[in-house]
Amino acid sequence: EIVLTQSPGTLSLSPGERATLSCRASQSVSSSYLAWYQQKPGQAPRLLIYGASSRPTGIPDRFSGSGSGTDFTLTITRLEPEDFAVYYCQQYGTSPQTFGQGTKVEIK
Amino acid sequence: EVQLVQSGAEVKKPGESLKISCKVSGYSFTTYWIDWVRQMPGKGLEWMGIIYPGDSDTRYSPSFRGQVTISADKSITTSYLQWSSLKASDTAVYYCARRTTFYGHNDYWGQGTLVTVSS
Repeated sequence: EIVLTQSPGTLSLSPGERATLSCRASQSVSSSYLAWYQQKPGQAPRLLIYGASSRPTGIPDRFSGSGSGTDFTLTITRLEPEDFAVYYCQQYGTSPQTFGQGTKVEIK
Repeated sequence: EVQLVQSGAEVKKPGESLKISCKVSGYSFTTYWIDWVRQMPGKGLEWMGIIYPGDSDTRYSPSFRGQVTISADKSITTSYLQWSSLKASDTAVYYCARRTTFYGHNDYWGQGTLVTVSS
């Protein structure tokens, strides 16, 4: 199975700053079938990005995804107070789908 | 409006059986796959398995095969996750999620069901 490694484990930033989260795959992710999810305490994950760079309707444009092959990035251009959460990447191009271990974005 | 509504929290003893549910509405239940995902306390997301309610085609992660059973009832648009003999290590939140296609992302999620297994 494809192992996804996210870095850093924790990102300490202030509101208004830029956040850059990394997701590296142990082998190439088919057709950029990579998604990013946001999870807040006590809530279900929420889809932010799919297909490596596409945003679902309703997701603010401060969230953007990029990358291909084995290296992917989620960027939050200006952190809002509601963006402090845990972020997971997921690959769904090769069965079984797998998740990264998560990056926590915390208030500095 | 697409909704996946899961059954409520459960407290069980080791060795007991359990079946939790995921009631779907707002779309055609039989034309989308449903995933089940585990989240142990303070940990990340783990994919358990998937079912296609249209024909009950079911696949399991090697880590969960033989440990749980995933099923679906088309008549009441509900998917189930069940255990025949719970262990303390099954304590976790379990999520169901709609998958857009077999090789697709999860666009809608249930609210999660907390299962606590303790003697």
